[in-house]
Amino acid sequence: SQQGEEDPQALSIQEGENATMNCSYKTSINNLQWYRQNSGRGLVHLILIRSNEREKHSGRLRVTLDTSKKSSSLLITASRAADTASYFCATDAIAGNQFYFGTGTSLTVIP
Amino acid sequence: SQTIHQWPATLVQPVGSPLSLECTVEGTSNPNLYWYRQAAGRGLQLLFYSVGIGQISSEVPQNLSASRPQDRQFILSSKKLLLSDSGFYLCAWHGGLYNEKLFFGSGTQLSVL
Repeated sequence: SQQGEEDPQALSIQEGENATMNCSYKTSINNLQWYRQNSGRGLVHLILIRSNEREKHSGRLRVTLDTSKKSSSLLITASRAADTASYFCATDAIAGNQFYFGTGTSLTVIP
Repeated sequence: SQTIHQWPATLVQPVGSPLSLECTVEGTSNPNLYWYRQAAGRGLQLLFYSVGIGQISSEVPQNLSASRPQDRQFILSSKKLLLSDSGFYLCAWHGGLYNEKLFFGSGTQLSVL
Protein backbone atom coordinates (compact mmCIF):
# COMPACT_ATOMS: atom_id res chain seq x y z
CA SER A 1 0.00 0.00 0.00
CA GLN A 2 1.17 3.52 -0.69
CA GLN A 3 -0.79 4.94 2.16
CA GLY A 4 1.19 7.13 4.52
CA GLU A 5 1.02 7.29 8.25
CA GLU A 6 0.43 10.12 10.66
CA ASP A 7 1.49 10.28 14.23
CA PRO A 8 0.30 10.64 16.80
CA GLN A 9 -2.98 8.87 16.10
CA ALA A 10 -4.64 11.06 18.69
CA LEU A 11 -3.65 14.33 20.33
CA SER A 12 -5.36 16.24 23.12
CA ILE A 13 -4.25 19.75 24.06
CA GLN A 14 -5.50 22.82 25.86
CA GLU A 15 -6.78 25.79 23.94
CA GLY A 16 -3.95 28.19 23.17
CA GLU A 17 -1.29 25.48 22.94
CA ASN A 18 0.39 24.44 19.72
CA ALA A 19 -0.42 21.16 18.02
CA THR A 20 2.11 19.26 15.94
CA MET A 21 1.34 16.24 13.85
CA ASN A 22 3.62 14.28 11.59
CA CYS A 23 3.21 12.40 8.36
CA SER A 24 5.46 9.83 6.72
CA TYR A 25 5.02 8.57 3.19
CA LYS A 26 6.60 5.95 1.00
CA THR A 27 7.14 7.11 -2.57
CA SER A 28 8.47 10.15 -4.42
CA ILE A 29 5.95 12.94 -4.73
CA ASN A 30 5.15 16.13 -6.62
CA ASN A 31 3.51 17.73 -3.62
CA LEU A 32 2.06 16.97 -0.23
CA GLN A 33 -1.22 18.31 1.05
CA TRP A 34 -2.92 18.51 4.45
CA TYR A 35 -6.65 18.14 4.90
CA ARG A 36 -9.02 18.51 7.80
CA GLN A 37 -12.12 16.40 8.46
CA ASN A 38 -14.82 17.16 10.95
CA SER A 39 -16.58 14.07 12.22
CA GLY A 40 -18.84 12.50 9.59
CA ARG A 41 -18.03 15.09 6.96
CA GLY A 42 -15.97 15.41 3.82
CA LEU A 43 -12.36 16.57 3.87
CA VAL A 44 -11.37 20.19 3.44
CA HIS A 45 -8.04 21.25 2.00
CA LEU A 46 -5.76 23.22 4.32
CA ILE A 47 -2.40 23.69 2.67
CA LEU A 48 -0.19 22.33 -0.12
CA ILE A 49 3.59 22.17 -0.13
CA ARG A 50 5.56 21.36 -3.25
CA SER A 51 8.38 18.83 -3.30
CA ASN A 52 10.95 21.60 -3.85
CA GLU A 53 9.71 23.58 -0.83
CA ARG A 54 10.83 22.98 2.73
CA GLU A 55 8.42 25.14 4.69
CA LYS A 56 5.16 26.94 4.10
CA HIS A 57 2.89 29.10 6.21
CA SER A 58 -0.80 29.90 6.01
CA GLY A 59 -2.35 31.79 8.90
CA ARG A 60 -1.86 29.66 12.03
CA LEU A 61 -0.63 26.72 9.97
CA ARG A 62 3.00 25.86 9.35
CA VAL A 63 3.97 22.90 7.21
CA THR A 64 7.43 21.45 6.72
CA LEU A 65 8.56 18.88 4.22
CA ASP A 66 11.68 16.71 4.26
CA THR A 67 11.78 14.72 1.04
CA SER A 68 14.97 12.92 2.06
CA LYS A 69 13.15 11.46 5.04
CA LYS A 70 9.81 11.29 3.24
CA SER A 71 8.13 13.12 6.07
CA SER A 72 6.10 16.24 6.75
CA SER A 73 4.80 18.01 9.80
CA LEU A 74 1.80 20.25 10.38
CA LEU A 75 1.93 22.79 13.19
CA ILE A 76 -1.21 24.58 14.33
CA THR A 77 -0.33 27.49 16.56
CA ALA A 78 -2.53 29.02 19.27
CA SER A 79 -5.09 26.24 18.92
CA ARG A 80 -8.81 26.85 19.34
CA ALA A 81 -11.64 24.53 20.28
CA ALA A 82 -12.86 24.87 16.68
CA ASP A 83 -9.64 23.18 15.51
CA THR A 84 -10.93 19.90 16.94
CA ALA A 85 -11.01 17.54 13.95
CA SER A 86 -9.03 14.82 12.21
CA TYR A 87 -6.09 15.86 10.09
CA PHE A 88 -4.76 13.91 7.12
CA CYS A 89 -1.77 14.25 4.86
CA ALA A 90 -2.10 13.31 1.21
CA THR A 91 0.52 12.65 -1.42
CA ASP A 92 0.15 12.46 -5.15
CA ALA A 93 1.55 9.74 -7.38
CA ILE A 94 4.48 11.31 -9.18
CA ALA A 95 3.62 9.65 -12.48
CA GLY A 96 -0.12 9.28 -12.13
CA ASN A 97 -3.36 10.84 -11.00
CA GLN A 98 -3.75 9.09 -7.69
CA PHE A 99 -3.81 10.75 -4.26
CA TYR A 100 -2.98 8.68 -1.21
CA PHE A 101 -3.96 9.63 2.30
CA GLY A 102 -2.36 8.89 5.62
CA THR A 103 -4.09 7.29 8.57
CA GLY A 104 -4.89 10.63 10.22
CA THR A 105 -4.40 12.37 13.54
CA SER A 106 -7.43 13.03 15.70
CA LEU A 107 -6.95 16.39 17.42
CA THR A 108 -9.00 17.45 20.42
CA VAL A 109 -8.61 21.01 21.68
CA ILE A 110 -9.99 21.44 25.18
CA PRO A 111 -11.50 24.87 25.89
CA SER B 1 -18.07 28.27 -8.65
CA GLN B 2 -17.50 24.55 -8.52
CA THR B 3 -19.62 22.29 -6.35
CA ILE B 4 -19.75 18.57 -5.77
CA HIS B 5 -22.88 16.68 -4.85
CA GLN B 6 -22.92 13.25 -3.31
CA TRP B 7 -25.96 11.29 -2.24
CA PRO B 8 -27.48 9.76 -0.27
CA ALA B 9 -25.94 10.91 3.01
CA THR B 10 -26.87 7.71 4.82
CA LEU B 11 -27.74 4.30 3.52
CA VAL B 12 -28.61 1.04 5.25
CA GLN B 13 -28.63 -2.01 2.99
CA PRO B 14 -28.97 -5.75 3.59
CA VAL B 15 -26.19 -8.13 2.65
CA GLY B 16 -26.58 -9.27 -0.94
CA SER B 17 -28.46 -6.21 -2.11
CA PRO B 18 -27.20 -3.94 -4.91
CA LEU B 19 -25.63 -0.53 -4.42
CA SER B 20 -25.51 2.65 -6.42
CA LEU B 21 -23.91 5.82 -5.10
CA GLU B 22 -23.84 8.87 -7.31
CA CYS B 23 -21.55 11.87 -7.40
CA THR B 24 -21.86 14.89 -9.67
CA VAL B 25 -19.68 17.92 -10.12
CA GLU B 26 -20.80 21.34 -11.29
CA GLY B 27 -18.87 24.32 -12.52
CA THR B 28 -15.91 22.56 -14.08
CA SER B 29 -15.23 20.36 -17.07
CA ASN B 30 -13.15 17.23 -17.53
CA PRO B 31 -12.34 16.81 -13.84
CA ASN B 32 -10.45 13.87 -12.42
CA LEU B 33 -12.91 12.00 -10.20
CA TYR B 34 -12.22 9.79 -7.22
CA TRP B 35 -14.01 7.36 -4.90
CA TYR B 36 -12.53 6.78 -1.45
CA ARG B 37 -13.69 4.59 1.42
CA GLN B 38 -13.03 5.36 5.06
CA ALA B 39 -13.46 2.74 7.77
CA ALA B 40 -14.51 4.06 11.18
CA GLY B 41 -11.67 6.05 12.73
CA ARG B 42 -9.31 5.22 9.89
CA GLY B 43 -7.68 6.81 6.89
CA LEU B 44 -9.00 7.03 3.35
CA GLN B 45 -8.52 4.16 0.95
CA LEU B 46 -8.52 5.03 -2.75
CA LEU B 47 -10.97 2.75 -4.55
CA PHE B 48 -11.31 4.15 -8.07
CA TYR B 49 -10.31 7.17 -10.07
CA SER B 50 -11.23 8.44 -13.51
CA VAL B 51 -9.53 10.92 -15.82
CA GLY B 52 -12.30 10.94 -18.44
CA ILE B 53 -15.62 9.51 -19.58
CA GLY B 54 -15.52 5.73 -19.54
CA GLN B 55 -11.97 5.67 -18.15
CA ILE B 56 -11.87 3.92 -14.78
CA SER B 57 -8.81 2.84 -12.82
CA SER B 58 -9.21 0.48 -9.90
CA GLU B 59 -6.80 0.61 -7.01
CA VAL B 60 -7.82 -2.51 -5.11
CA PRO B 61 -9.67 -5.68 -6.09
CA GLN B 62 -13.03 -5.69 -4.40
CA ASN B 63 -16.73 -6.20 -4.61
CA LEU B 64 -17.30 -2.74 -6.06
CA SER B 65 -17.20 -1.17 -9.51
CA ALA B 66 -17.27 2.37 -10.80
CA SER B 67 -18.56 4.03 -13.94
CA ARG B 68 -18.38 7.48 -15.48
CA PRO B 69 -21.22 7.77 -17.96
CA GLN B 70 -20.91 11.56 -18.25
CA ASP B 71 -18.07 14.03 -17.83
CA ARG B 72 -19.15 15.18 -14.39
CA GLN B 73 -20.88 12.06 -13.08
CA PHE B 74 -19.19 9.26 -11.18
CA ILE B 75 -21.09 6.22 -9.93
CA LEU B 76 -20.02 3.57 -7.44
CA SER B 77 -21.86 0.27 -7.69
CA SER B 78 -22.08 -3.23 -6.37
CA LYS B 79 -24.22 -6.14 -7.51
CA LYS B 80 -24.22 -7.83 -4.09
CA LEU B 81 -23.09 -6.02 -0.97
CA LEU B 82 -20.93 -7.69 1.66
CA LEU B 83 -20.70 -6.82 5.35
CA SER B 84 -17.16 -5.62 4.70
CA ASP B 85 -18.46 -2.98 2.28
CA SER B 86 -19.71 -0.92 5.22
CA GLY B 87 -17.96 2.40 5.59
CA PHE B 88 -17.94 6.07 4.79
CA TYR B 89 -17.69 6.67 1.04
CA LEU B 90 -16.30 9.92 -0.25
CA CYS B 91 -16.29 11.29 -3.76
CA ALA B 92 -13.74 13.91 -4.77
CA TRP B 93 -12.68 15.85 -7.84
CA HIS B 94 -9.43 17.40 -9.00
CA GLY B 95 -8.64 19.78 -11.84
CA GLY B 96 -6.00 17.48 -13.26
CA LEU B 97 -3.10 19.89 -12.97
CA TYR B 98 -0.14 19.81 -10.62
CA ASN B 99 -0.39 21.67 -7.35
CA GLU B 100 -4.15 21.57 -7.24
CA LYS B 101 -6.22 20.37 -4.36
CA LEU B 102 -8.93 17.76 -4.08
CA PHE B 103 -12.49 18.87 -3.43
CA PHE B 104 -14.60 16.40 -1.48
CA GLY B 105 -18.29 15.65 -1.32
CA SER B 106 -20.05 15.35 2.01
CA GLY B 107 -19.87 11.56 2.03
CA THR B 108 -22.24 8.60 2.26
CA GLN B 109 -22.34 6.49 5.41
CA LEU B 110 -23.13 2.96 4.24
CA SER B 111 -24.13 0.29 6.71
CA VAL B 112 -24.50 -3.23 5.39
CA LEU B 113 -26.49 -5.43 7.77
